[in-house]
Amino acid sequence: DSGVTQTPKHLITATGQRVTLRCSPRSGDLSVYWYQQSLDQGLQFLIQYYNGEERAKGNILERFSAQQFPDLHSELNLSSLELGDSALYFCASSVEWGTGRSEQYFGPGTRLTVT
Amino acid sequence: AQSVSQHNHHVILSEAASLELGCNYSYGGTVNLFWYVQYPGQHLQLLLKYFSGDPLVKGIKGFEAEFIKSKFSFNLRKPSVQWSDTAEYFCAVNIYSGAGSYQLTFGKGTKLSVIP
Repeated sequence: DSGVTQTPKHLITATGQRVTLRCSPRSGDLSVYWYQQSLDQGLQFLIQYYNGEERAKGNILERFSAQQFPDLHSELNLSSLELGDSALYFCASSVEWGTGRSEQYFGPGTRLTVT
Repeated sequence: AQSVSQHNHHVILSEAASLELGCNYSYGGTVNLFWYVQYPGQHLQLLLKYFSGDPLVKGIKGFEAEFIKSKFSFNLRKPSVQWSDTAEYFCAVNIYSGAGSYQLTFGKGTKLSVIP
């Protein structure tokens, strides 16, 4: 158990819908990262927050957004869902930001299926 | 764009065989290198990491990796694999992306199956 929790574990929804994925980081970690893992693209970085502020953006679609709340949990919002958004979404957390050397601790992931 | 390549998609070995998984990255600047492992049904966890200094780094469970700067490589090795090493292995590079931020770029992973 990494200490990072993600809910729900599985999510099945229809095209055009909107879903929210939730992540709670390890106790004491201020950075939260979101990743998407699909068969064709592999594990791709989406976005990072540190202590409530967005710090880095990767290959995140405009239909996707995220935020980190004062209690440090984070939510990833996916809207106007398409079949191609079906993937495993991972959250990770780390203590710090800005060194590139922090180990990231990964959650168990949320498997999203869009039908 | 920066990328990380893992040469083998699926490797099948017998117990006690030696393991080497290749990883190459395309980035000319300073890099921080990681190997993560995902055991069946579990979360990704760190095996080892390299930032600077001795290019041969040791990780958990008998794994080691060698950083060869001239080859842009960071290959993972283990002298003798066990059935419990069956997992998917991911090479990752943390690259500076500006404004004090880094992005962790992963390879597509190598599935290792160890036959008892």
